[in-house]
Amino acid sequence: DVKVTQSSRYLVKRTGEKVFLECVQDMDHENMFWYRQDPGLGLRLIYFSYDVKMKEKGDIPEGYSVSREKKERFSLILESASTNQTSMYLCASRDPSTNEKLFFGSGTQLSVL
Amino acid sequence: GESVGLHLPTLSVQEGDNSIINCAYSNSASDYFIWYKQESGKGPQFIIDIRSNMDKRQGQRVTVLLNKTVKHLSLQIAATQPGDSAVYFCAEKGTDKLIFGTGTRLQVFP
Repeated sequence: DVKVTQSSRYLVKRTGEKVFLECVQDMDHENMFWYRQDPGLGLRLIYFSYDVKMKEKGDIPEGYSVSREKKERFSLILESASTNQTSMYLCASRDPSTNEKLFFGSGTQLSVL
Repeated sequence: GESVGLHLPTLSVQEGDNSIINCAYSNSASDYFIWYKQESGKGPQFIIDIRSNMDKRQGQRVTVLLNKTVKHLSLQIAATQPGDSAVYFCAEKGTDKLIFGTGTRLQVFP
């Protein structure tokens, strides 16, 4: 089975801090995604990457950046954390040659105080 | 724009009964649909998917039905068990990305 691992299950940060959320997948998938999940809003796409060194803005990229230096790792960066970025962050990967199915990590619950 | 919605935010069923979770979509050009299950404190887990050239697809205790005429998708769970308690949400693929619904919470009581 595909495994998508997010480095932290819970994070508490202060406003203005730079925050790194790490995600690693072990199935050599080309595509990787970052979503945030908020009650009543569902999953919203922040950034995605179709391959190493590539990145594309999703629906809500403001306040975030990403890094994809290696195929298996996709990092989400909050340059200066704000309270409205308190959320559950979900990383996912996909093999585009097989189907559209996304494989998700367990999520990181980030609280910005 | 595209939107994916659910008819009921919470569904309560008795253990052993069948569950039906519904989903409406708005983009008639969507060609792929998927259901996920998310248990408390966990990431979404794939349940079943279906392409638009099919009306029905069955898995283990689950069936997905697609009605393209009314743009409606449903997930049927047979003989619902306590372990089925979770949030279920559908997603549709229109252009190149999945669009997710907000989810329905399924509660199973004895």
